[in-house]
Amino acid sequence: DAKTTQPNSMESNEEEPVHLPCNHSTISGTDYIHWYRQLPSQGPEYVIHGLTSNVNNRMASLAIAEDRKSSTLILHRATLRDAAVYYCILRDSYNNNDMRFGAGTRLTVKP
Amino acid sequence: KAGVTQTPRYLIKTRGQQVTLSCSPISGHRSVSWYQQTPGQGLQFLFEYFSETQRNKGNFPGRFSGRQFSNSRSEMNVSTLELGDSALYLCASSLPNSGGAQETQYFGPGTRLLVL
Repeated sequence: DAKTTQPNSMESNEEEPVHLPCNHSTISGTDYIHWYRQLPSQGPEYVIHGLTSNVNNRMASLAIAEDRKSSTLILHRATLRDAAVYYCILRDSYNNNDMRFGAGTRLTVKP
Repeated sequence: KAGVTQTPRYLIKTRGQQVTLSCSPISGHRSVSWYQQTPGQGLQFLFEYFSETQRNKGNFPGRFSGRQFSNSRSEMNVSTLELGDSALYLCASSLPNSGGAQETQYFGPGTRLLVL
C-alpha cells in the first residue's frame, strides 16, 4: 500500500490560513487522495478528496502537486472548531473501503 | 437524515469474555466498515461488509468477526477478550458508487471498550 507522511503537529492562529502538508511519494496512478479529520471525542469526518486537479469545497481546498507526490490541505480561515487530527489517506480503486490511516497531523488553533 | 449510530457507547468487560458491538448505517447505505483506534496503533481497518458479505478484511486475528444483516445493520464480535483489545471501535457507512476509491465514509461516534 502506498503510504503517506505528515507532520505530527502544527499550530495556527484563529482566522489565519493553515496549510497542512502530506507526502505520498509512492502514490500510484489510480490512488485518490482523501483527507479526513477527527475532532476530539468524535469519529473521523470527511473533508475533501481529489485525484489530479486541485479541489475546493465549503470546508477546505486541496492542492495536489503536478507529480502527485505531495498534496496540501488548505483551511482558508482557521477557527477554534478546526482543532483536530487531520489524516491524509490514499485510496486505491481496487481496495474499496479499506482506508489505511496514518498518524495524522494534530492541528492546534490558538485564539 | 440520521447519522451512523453505534451501541453501546461504552462497555467494560473482563479478559476472556466476548463482546458484540452494533452499528446502524445511514439509511440507504449498504457498505459498513469497522475500525479499531488505540493510542499506540492509531486507526486500523478491521473489515468491510457490503450486501451481507465481507468484502475486505484487515490484519486482525480470527477472534474479531462481523456480520451484516439484510437491513445493512452490522455487528462485530470479539471473542476471548485480551487487555490489548481495549480501544475505540468505529463504524463507518458509505453509499456505494461505481468507483470505490471516491466513496465518502461516514463515521459513527464509536464504542469505547475497556477490558480489565
